[in-house]
Amino acid sequence: DAKTTQPPSMDCAEGRAANLPCNHSTISGNEYVYWYRQIHSQGPQYIIHGLKNNETNEMASLIITEDRKSSTLILPHATLRDTAVYYCIVRSTGGATNKLIFGTGTLLAVQP
Amino acid sequence: NAGVTQTPKFQVLKTGQSMTLQCAQDMNHNSMYWYRQDPGMGLRLIYYSASEGTTDKGEVPNGYNVSRLNKREFSLRLESAAPSQTSVYFCASIRASSIPYEQYFGPGTRLTVT
Repeated sequence: DAKTTQPPSMDCAEGRAANLPCNHSTISGNEYVYWYRQIHSQGPQYIIHGLKNNETNEMASLIITEDRKSSTLILPHATLRDTAVYYCIVRSTGGATNKLIFGTGTLLAVQP
Repeated sequence: NAGVTQTPKFQVLKTGQSMTLQCAQDMNHNSMYWYRQDPGMGLRLIYYSASEGTTDKGEVPNGYNVSRLNKREFSLRLESAAPSQTSVYFCASIRASSIPYEQYFGPGTRLTVT
């Protein structure tokens, strides 16, 4: 599975959009991009995933570049409750293992 | 649905003691996982069970054993606890058998070994 690079921390003002970048330059054709977040002391929570196209759900939007070497998670109107560590994970769907390899993620601090 | 439950929530052990961390899920998931998370670090996979009756090592299996008791339950055992095993332990299970393979995590067990 490809490795990812994320900034260690970011700040965002409450009510503004939070844009969290992720580089995955070694991604291969069958690998998806997943985003999870971990609010302090809790278990990680799935946010969104994508392969090639941009995706949106009730929590966030995922923008994947055309070459698929990077992506951006967008929280359109960040709230204080969005303060968390956000993990970008790249993995294939092949095989029975379905493992997730977590890096250190980006600590997003939403400021009032 | 309770989702993924873990017991205990907190535990303090002395070096050399043994204990078993319990995990159960009520979502009829096939695959289950044990991770550990040290302060300031991401999660690291200890062991996983792709399906009932199978278990495999992850990144950091040394010092641990697991049992997939049935489809619902996956336990993690520390035979002789060491201070290096002080960590937060998370259990997870996988949704269904198709994309997006969303993992559901339990609330964690906070273990301190003195």
